[in-house]
Amino acid sequence: AQSVTQLDSHVSVSEGTPVLLRCNYSSSYSPSLFWYVQHPNKGLQLLLKYTSAATLVKGINGFEAEFKKSETSFHLTKPSAHMSDAAEYFCVVSDQSGGYQKVTFGTGTKLQVIP
Amino acid sequence: AAGVIQSPRHLIKEKRETATLKCYPIPRHDTVYWYQQGPGQDPQFLISFYEKMQSDKGSIPDRFSAQQFSDYHSELNMSSLELGDSALYFCASSLRLAGSTDTQYFGPGTRLTVL
Repeated sequence: AQSVTQLDSHVSVSEGTPVLLRCNYSSSYSPSLFWYVQHPNKGLQLLLKYTSAATLVKGINGFEAEFKKSETSFHLTKPSAHMSDAAEYFCVVSDQSGGYQKVTFGTGTKLQVIP
Repeated sequence: AAGVIQSPRHLIKEKRETATLKCYPIPRHDTVYWYQQGPGQDPQFLISFYEKMQSDKGSIPDRFSAQQFSDYHSELNMSSLELGDSALYFCASSLRLAGSTDTQYFGPGTRLTVL
């Protein structure tokens, strides 16, 4: 079975402080994991992806995520939040089930950045 | 770099009408996915195509159909539109590589409003 849980529906941080968006997953296969960002009225943009190489993945705009198999987690972090980071973030798990790629989106985390 | 193109970007229809959404994948990508994102909802997978054949099916209503053409573009046809079909429809494309999970790149979406 495949599932993904984003533990916080809303996260609020002050500009310049660290960001932590949490994601836990389950997969019966070796999964690939992704973070996408969606700004208001915009499409989904790929931030970063994990595909069984290095467990610490660096993405665009200073974001990174660490794949922890023992904790089945793939939390997204950024050392210092910027106003432009305010958006909704989706954690996505993908694996090959029965020869087909199956993709499941998390329910999203809205990030608010306070000036 | 070329991205996924969707047309139209906005569409307004009345109940019981039909709509056709188009998706042009990134050049050389062979796989297309369709997602529906209702207001305040996370994206829901509808259907995917690989090399012009249906590859996977999600929560696509029977009133909807889709296909992928010889030039790899895809069209989502929606008939007997209902108010609940109002949503943002995303297309994503990827290049399927044997033995690995492909990364999906999303288009900007088509916003469908059913009146």
